Amino acid sequence: GAGVSQSPSNKVTEKGKDVELRCDPISGHTALYWYRQSLGQGLEFLIYFQGNSAPDKSGLPSDRFSAERTGGSVSTLTIQRTQQEDSAVYLCASSLEGGRGGYTFGSGTRLTVV
Amino acid sequence: GDSVTQMEGPVTLSEEAFLTINCTYTATGYPSLFWYVQYPGEGLQLLLKATKADDKGSNKGFEATYRKETTSFHLEKGSVQVSDSAVYFCALQGRNTGFQKLVFGTGTRLLVSP
Repeated sequence: GAGVSQSPSNKVTEKGKDVELRCDPISGHTALYWYRQSLGQGLEFLIYFQGNSAPDKSGLPSDRFSAERTGGSVSTLTIQRTQQEDSAVYLCASSLEGGRGGYTFGSGTRLTVV
Repeated sequence: GDSVTQMEGPVTLSEEAFLTINCTYTATGYPSLFWYVQYPGEGLQLLLKATKADDKGSNKGFEATYRKETTSFHLEKGSVQVSDSAVYFCALQGRNTGFQKLVFGTGTRLLVSP
């Protein structure tokens, strides 16, 4: 597609429920990244996919968070048993291999856990 | 590890004023440096970049020069407009992460009044 598409744009969920956030990267971009933007915080790296390599999961804050990327394209970030501190904007980005030219970001999913 | 430090916001200016947003970094070697901008309700957009010392990135009247000696990448604009109101993020890609992941500062909100 022309840009990085994320869905839903807004999600309100009850504490303890599971949520899935979707990212559709730019066609041809082999690298895909998930970041979290919390109020008053910077952008926190979560996970990085590059082609068929094993993903870099070093930023995932707990084992309640997981992500997969199917067929080297669409990615889903899953948060199990959501907590109020998970409330944030979740941003997805994609880039060509290596990412040195910069990333293209989606508009994000605003997650609110009540 | 790699890190980016930005000046606290918000920065409040009148239209046509001169803008400086300070950014300093810590990284080994020669990272690539970026400024991203986030307009209200949107995702991050790449504003400008520099990949080696003394490079000057520029776009839309904004400029930043990669200063290795002061480990800085300050953002400047000679005459801001109301439409420049946004959050600005300084970021780097460094050797510590194999030039793969972007490390962001906490962002600086700019408010420009007519």
